[in-house]
Amino acid sequence: QSVLTQPPSASGTPGQGVTISCSGGTSNIGGNAVNWYRQFPGTAPKLLIHSNNQWPSGVPDRFSGSKSGTSASLAISGLQSEDEGDYYCATWDDSRNSFVFGTGTTVTVL
Amino acid sequence: QVQLVQSGAELKKPGASVRVSCETSGYSFTEYFVQWVRQAPGQGLEWIGWVNPTTHGTDFAQRFQGRVNIVADPSTNTAYLELRSLQSDDSAFYFCARGGRVGTYLWLAYFDYWGQGTLITVAS
Repeated sequence: QSVLTQPPSASGTPGQGVTISCSGGTSNIGGNAVNWYRQFPGTAPKLLIHSNNQWPSGVPDRFSGSKSGTSASLAISGLQSEDEGDYYCATWDDSRNSFVFGTGTTVTVL
Repeated sequence: QVQLVQSGAELKKPGASVRVSCETSGYSFTEYFVQWVRQAPGQGLEWIGWVNPTTHGTDFAQRFQGRVNIVADPSTNTAYLELRSLQSDDSAFYFCARGGRVGTYLWLAYFDYWGQGTLITVAS
C-alpha cells in the first residue's frame, strides 16, 4: 500500500555509516519536501529530519537528509547502539491528496 | 513543553465505533493542524487525516472517507478521532501528532510532536 519504497533493513557496526533510501515518484518526493521519522518498538515515531535536510532541535548532526529527483536518503554517520530502530520517510502526495509514508527500514547495529 | 496525551486502549466489536482523544498542551492549539496516523501491529505508518483547529476544516485519506471524522475542541485543546464501522483490520495503534502551522501550505507540514498512541483492538 505504501507508495514510498524503502529497503526493509540496514545494518552497520558502531562508528560506521549507514544510508537509507526512499524511492517515490513525481507526485510525491519529486515535488514535495521529505521528512524522516524514527520509531523505537512500542513508542511513537519521532521527527528526525524535516524539509529534506533540516534538523529539529535536539537531533544530532550525525543524521542528515538529502533529496534528488524522486528519491531521498537518510544518512547516519558514527552509528551508535541507540540508533537501532525503525526509520520512515514521509511526504505529501499530490495525486492522492494525502500524506504518505515509506515502507520503513529497520536499522540494526551489529 | 509541547505534549499530546491520548486516551487509553479500547476493545471494540466489529461494526462498532470508537473515539480517541488527544489532549494537547504547551503550545497554541489553534495555530497548528492536528494529524492522525495509525499503525497495525508489525506494520508501517498510515496517515488518516487532519483537522484545522481554527476553522474546524478536515480532510481524510481516501480509504477512510465516509467512516471517519476528526474534530477539534479549542476550549479544551483536545482533538478527537472518530472511526465507525470498525473491522478487524482496523486493529492498530492510533497516533495524533502536531503537523503543520495553520496558514501555511499543508504539503510542507511535518509531524513534530506525537501522542503516545492508543491501541484499538477490534474483535468479537
